[in-house]
Amino acid sequence: KQEVTQIPAALSVPEGENLVLNCSFTDSAIYNLQWFRQDPGKGLTSLLLIQSSQREQTSGRLNASLDKSSGRSTLYIAASQPGDSATYLCAVGQYSGGGADGLTFGKGTHLIIQP
Amino acid sequence: KAGVTQTPRYLIKTRGQQVTLSCSPISGHRSVSWYQQTPGQGLQFLFEYFSETQRNKGNFPGRFSGRQFSNSRSEMNVSTLELGDSALYLCASRPGLYTDTQYFGPGTRLTVL
Repeated sequence: KQEVTQIPAALSVPEGENLVLNCSFTDSAIYNLQWFRQDPGKGLTSLLLIQSSQREQTSGRLNASLDKSSGRSTLYIAASQPGDSATYLCAVGQYSGGGADGLTFGKGTHLIIQP
Repeated sequence: KAGVTQTPRYLIKTRGQQVTLSCSPISGHRSVSWYQQTPGQGLQFLFEYFSETQRNKGNFPGRFSGRQFSNSRSEMNVSTLELGDSALYLCASRPGLYTDTQYFGPGTRLTVL
């Protein structure tokens, strides 16, 4: 059974710092990995999607990498801003005998950017 | 394009009742998935529908069921509600399967008393 772990569980940094969020998964047979952000009481916003054949994806100040063989992904946030404060979730998609399983999520990293 | 919409946004029920939640996917998206989010268990996959067929199901009891209509709209039903069913229920849609990004709705907050 796939398990996704996110470290750290919580992080508080001053504005302007660069930071790295970590995600690890136990089964490398994935077809993609996604990073989401969730604001309190809200749904999820997709940030980056990395296909299993890719090594990284970039969007603005965000960069996500994927090392499928070691079961790891990192989300790099450059020049953090207070508006980046949210919970960041990592999720992997994988195949099963019946087709594609739903996404398996980590518990998230709760990020606070101090002004 | 309009995003994924879910109705109702908030719901209060009592134990033993049943509830139906609705999800309208982004126009053109044929896949709809449902997830349950609780503080203890986090986000857990319930099931996914594609072209009116259930493609896969998570590890939830049979009290949780769903369906998808020909216009891709989906409903989720929970029968004989238990206190532990209190959660945020999220719906996600995508154009196809496997490699596509999933787009999530705002969720339905269900409280069971």
